[in-house]
This record gives sequence, C-alpha cells and structure tokens, in this order.
Amino acid sequence: RKEVEQDPGPFNVPEGATVAFNCTYSNSASQSFFWYRQDCRKEPKLLMSVYSSGNEDGRFTAQLNRASQYISLLIRDSKLSDSATYLCVVNEAAGNKLTFGGGTRVLVKP
Amino acid sequence: ETGVTQSPTHLIKTRGQQVTLRCSSQSGHNTVSWYQQALGQGPQFIFQYYREEENGRGNFPPRFSGLQFPNYSSELNVNALELDDSALYLCASSLDSGLNSPLHFGNGTRLTVT
Repeated sequence: RKEVEQDPGPFNVPEGATVAFNCTYSNSASQSFFWYRQDCRKEPKLLMSVYSSGNEDGRFTAQLNRASQYISLLIRDSKLSDSATYLCVVNEAAGNKLTFGGGTRVLVKP
Repeated sequence: ETGVTQSPTHLIKTRGQQVTLRCSSQSGHNTVSWYQQALGQGPQFIFQYYREEENGRGNFPPRFSGLQFPNYSSELNVNALELDDSALYLCASSLDSGLNSPLHFGNGTRLTVT
C-alpha cells in the first residue's frame, strides 16, 4: 500500500460547480498535512495547510479525518483557472520528510 | 525576498555519466529538500539538508548524494546515471526542518538520460 494515495482523476468539472476529492495516508502518526497545486510543467505551490479542525481559504475548504486517515479538499464555484493537479502532502513523523501523493487532476470546463 | 532558484533548467546526459544540479534556497531558509518527479507522478523525496547536514533520506541508492553549503545553497549529485533517472528534479527550501514548515519549490531541473 502506498503511503499517500490519491485518485488520479481527471475530475471534469463544469465552471461554477463544486468538486471534492480525498487523499488517504497510511501512517497514523502523521502530524502535518498540506495541499499543493501543480500546473502543467511547473513546480508545486502551497495551496493550504490542513488543520485538525478543518480550515477554509476563500473557495477552498480542507478537512482532516484522523480516524479514517484521510484529508479532503473541496473547491466551490470552480473557475477555469482552478484546472491543475492537486497534490496531497503528509509528513512522516520520523525521517523529516514530506511525502507526496500522486496527485488528482482537475479540469474545469466552460 | 528572492525565491528558490535552480540550475540548469534542462540537461541531457548519457547513461553512466555523472550530473550535478544546483539550488539556491529562499532567503532566510536554512533547510533544503530534493525531490524527483517522474512524468505523471508525485514528487518522491530524495533527501533533506539542514544546516549542512543530511537530515533525512528517502528510498534512493547511494549514487544520489548531496551537499549543503554555509549559505544554505545545495547540490544534488547523481553518479552512474541510468535511463530511469530521467525526471524533473525539484529543490525546495523551508524556514526550518520542523514538521509544520511548508516547502517552497524552485522551477526544477529537467534531466534527460539517453
């Protein structure tokens, strides 16, 4: 089983719609969680950290479910510019490394 | 504030050769991590350097090695290149090695091994 798993997609989303997707992690001792966004042939960029109580940043909402070991990202009122690959990132409690999932591709269409 | 810069942007090498990739961390950041990203996959952790010492390593063979300098810039060296080493190599700096420090990535070096 991979340490961090994501549905690769693509999720085809009509402009203005809501899309949500999850990321599961295997290490129950993981403590830090992030969502990164990566555009085609570009470097990943931090979208948001994920806090235990859940957090929102504009149209983006992140949730953490420790019992089931997954995090989620919800995008409301999707824009064409939201088309990208969304990478889930989980820290390893030991080894000082952040582990990336394979990414979920989102395509927002007019 | 200068961001993370990597050089070169593209590189073509032959199997068996050696390569050195360079990274300048964002100002104020003392930790550098290196990642390998194959096409269509997420970045895979190679290693991390904190204050010139290796501070964590992923599942990569010893022919992948690195250095960090007193100004916190870093190098990734790969010996005996293999075809499967073809990938985007990403350098990321962070404020420190703490678990809650997000990564700031450079544009990457695209390595092609023929």
